[in-house]
Amino acid sequence: EVQLVESGGGLAQPGGSLRLSCAASGFTFSDYTMNWVRQAPGKGLEWVSFIRSETTTYADSVKGRFTISRDNAKNSLYLQMNSLRAEDTAVYYCVRDYSYAFDYWGQGTLVTVSS
Amino acid sequence: QSALTQPASVSGSPGQSITISCTGSSSDIGDSNHVCWYQHHPGKAPKLMIYGVTNRPSGVSDRFSGSKSGNTASLTISGLQAEDEADYFCGSFRNSIAWVFGGGTRLTVL
Repeated sequence: EVQLVESGGGLAQPGGSLRLSCAASGFTFSDYTMNWVRQAPGKGLEWVSFIRSETTTYADSVKGRFTISRDNAKNSLYLQMNSLRAEDTAVYYCVRDYSYAFDYWGQGTLVTVSS
Repeated sequence: QSALTQPASVSGSPGQSITISCTGSSSDIGDSNHVCWYQHHPGKAPKLMIYGVTNRPSGVSDRFSGSKSGNTASLTISGLQAEDEADYFCGSFRNSIAWVFGGGTRLTVL
């Protein structure tokens, strides 16, 4: 059974940092493109970043502040978030990409940026 | 402001059919075969319902169908059931670079 479990969310101050992790199981992690997608309170979904092998791409809203990475040996995906802003407050989902479709999502981890 | 435009809400009675629209541009929906629909029950993980505009993943009921015309994609749910009540989001690959989503549509089964 495919499972994606996010962790690392919490309260951060504006300008601060957080590192999100996603533990994957039930599939060959290294074979898949992985994404982070977020949903701000009362808002729609927003794609944040993806990593495909060594290639990474970011939404303009997080470019230069967030870094996506993966450790295939540990079946883990990460999102390093720096220079956090209030508008980064959201539930962050770890998402598997199967041929241009997000076929499995984690339950999400809440990030709140507030002083 | 989401990149793709969806109605905020739709409703229907059990057994009826409803259609949710998703309007984008020539840079995303109009130029992409990678249009998807997701069902989201609050507090749970979103679920893929349609991919590649019209395809259903294994295990998704054939009551769900997708289509596209120009810059607008649509999700149709026939034979509405109580468990269909949820938020529905569309998503499209844009400019072969990144993904964009709609703001979501709350489906109420009356």
